[in-house]
Amino acid sequence: DIQMTQSPSTLSASVGDRVTITCRASQSISTWLAWYQQKPGKVPNLLIYKASSLESGVPSRFSGSGSGTEFTLTINSLQPDDFATYYCQQYKSNSYSFGQGTKLEIK
Amino acid sequence: EVQLVESGGGLIQPGGSLRLTCLASGFSFSKHNMNWVRQAPGKGLEWVSYISYSVSTIYYADSVRGRFAISRDNAKNSLYLQMDSLRADDTAVYYCVRENEWLYYFDHWGQGMLVTVSS
Repeated sequence: DIQMTQSPSTLSASVGDRVTITCRASQSISTWLAWYQQKPGKVPNLLIYKASSLESGVPSRFSGSGSGTEFTLTINSLQPDDFATYYCQQYKSNSYSFGQGTKLEIK
Repeated sequence: EVQLVESGGGLIQPGGSLRLTCLASGFSFSKHNMNWVRQAPGKGLEWVSYISYSVSTIYYADSVRGRFAISRDNAKNSLYLQMDSLRADDTAVYYCVRENEWLYYFDHWGQGMLVTVSS
């Protein structure tokens, strides 16, 4: 099975900051990676698919990059609405898996 | 509008069985692969099971293989998860999730259904 490891687990930042979250796969997944945002008590919301494609309706301050085993989610100019937990997910293998999550907190 | 509505959750004793149902609407259900994903209280997301649009392919997470069974009825626009031999660590919100028809990422999620396994 493919393991997904996110770093950091917790990230403290301020409104207006630029932040980056990293996701590493235990083996190559090409670009079969998605990023989701989840707020407490809410359903996960798709942000990025195919590693770098922005889902319709998602603000352009969100961007994704990477291929193979290393991926990043970058949020430019953090907004108050962006403080949430973020998950990466691989959908290459026949056993899908998520990263453990990165909680983005207000500094 | 795409809608995925889960039902069938609740409180169940350890060792018991429960069947979750996801009723889909607003899209061609028979063209999409479907999944179940769960989230234990205060924890991260865990993929549980996958079924292809044609029912020809099914996958399970190791944690549920042999105890859970995924199925679907395309004529009824419904996805199911039969959960047997339930354990306390199966306690979670269970989400019904649609895959994008061409690129396979998870593009729509149901609101989730809480399953609590406790005596």
